Amino acid sequence: QVQLQQWGAGLLKPSETLSLTCAVYGGSLNHYYWNWVRQPPGKGLEWIGEIDHLGRTVYNPSLRSRLRISIDTSKNQFSLSLNSVTAADTAVYFCARPVDCSATICTGPFEVWGRGTLVTVSS
Amino acid sequence: EVVMTQSPGTLYVSPGERATLSCRASQSVIGNLAWYQQKPGQAPRLLIYGASVRAAGVPERFSGSGSGRDFTLTISGLQAEDFAVYYCQQYNNWPPYTFGQGTRLQIK
Repeated sequence: QVQLQQWGAGLLKPSETLSLTCAVYGGSLNHYYWNWVRQPPGKGLEWIGEIDHLGRTVYNPSLRSRLRISIDTSKNQFSLSLNSVTAADTAVYFCARPVDCSATICTGPFEVWGRGTLVTVSS
Repeated sequence: EVVMTQSPGTLYVSPGERATLSCRASQSVIGNLAWYQQKPGQAPRLLIYGASVRAAGVPERFSGSGSGRDFTLTISGLQAEDFAVYYCQQYNNWPPYTFGQGTRLQIK
């Protein structure tokens, strides 16, 4: 049973950099694109981006200029970095893994989720 | 970007009855459509993918249908634990993957 455990700073000031990490337990990083999704308080879900075990990334165009997703296969972890944050970046951030598939690398619908980290941006 | 529109925004249904939730894409997503359930303070839970395939452990009372632009999630015999917010997501055209704004299912 794969589990995702995430952590990172929960309170930031405007212009600072948001940093979160998600550790994968009970499974390998291979075979999947690993994702970040966020949800502003009381609002819907927004996909942030994804990375595979080779470090190939796909980003939401709306965030691309401020976004970096990285992976550390030695620690079975992947990370999110979002710079120049504003109050609009206040949200619960989730890491997520796609449902298993028959392809070489799975992407698409998200079956396994972290518990979420509330990140608040406030001066 | 594919825009996903869910209706209604809030749906009131009595326990034991059937709920029908709709999701429309701004362009065809073929059958690459997923449904999620989210309860307060929790991560979303995948219910349906491929428009009609139930995810592991999802009860049979949840069913999905549709293709192209129009999709439906049906919950038969509503139980107390089913009252939550439901989101659809397209994963046919990305980046980005996009979600609908959600339908809140409330007890009537």
